[in-house]
Amino acid sequence: GDSVTQMEGPVTLSEEAFLTINCTYTATGYPSLFWYVQYPGEGLQLLLKATKADDKGSNKGFEATYRKETTSFHLEKGSVQVSDSAVYFCALSPYNFNKFYFGSGTKLNVKP
Amino acid sequence: DAGVIQSPRHEVTEMGQEVTLRCKPISGHDYLFWYRQTMMRGLELLIYFNNNVPIDDSGMPEDRFSAKMPNASFSTLKIQPSEPRDSAVYFCASSLAGQGYEQYFGPGTRLTVT
Repeated sequence: GDSVTQMEGPVTLSEEAFLTINCTYTATGYPSLFWYVQYPGEGLQLLLKATKADDKGSNKGFEATYRKETTSFHLEKGSVQVSDSAVYFCALSPYNFNKFYFGSGTKLNVKP
Repeated sequence: DAGVIQSPRHEVTEMGQEVTLRCKPISGHDYLFWYRQTMMRGLELLIYFNNNVPIDDSGMPEDRFSAKMPNASFSTLKIQPSEPRDSAVYFCASSLAGQGYEQYFGPGTRLTVT
């Protein structure tokens, strides 16, 4: 069945460090891929998305590229800030199907 | 738009009591989802609706849980009777139909059952 696997956290980085959070997926057909962010005490917010192979989603300095050959959608940011501290969820939506499959979430702590 | 609205934001109740959580999706959205989030189990999909009709309730943990969507602008999740293990944050989300549309989440209801 469809699923998402993302790296376990927590990930602790110093401010201005480079961030990578790995995400791989299993799906039939051509799913859409998403990264959501959850700040403490809040709901999940869409960070970026990609709907077809080789698409790059980007927002607020974060990027992820839909790699069909490696079934991956890794999240990257060149220089993290303390305000990026949150939990990040990778998710997929199967083709023509609105149900989402979420990863387990990766907590990011950024130290000043 | 105001986004997805959930009420109450916090609920504290005693074991055995009935709890009703409420959700107002974004106007015009066709899908509505109920999730539960705990430290132990992460984010779990409980049930989802399409055009007010329940499509998949396989995530509902037991018969104590029920959900309704009487119209396009309102849904409820009811727990009767509540138990301490039901303590969690419950999220409602809505989306448009079609490929690639994201889900919009509400702020959640933090439920504590003592």
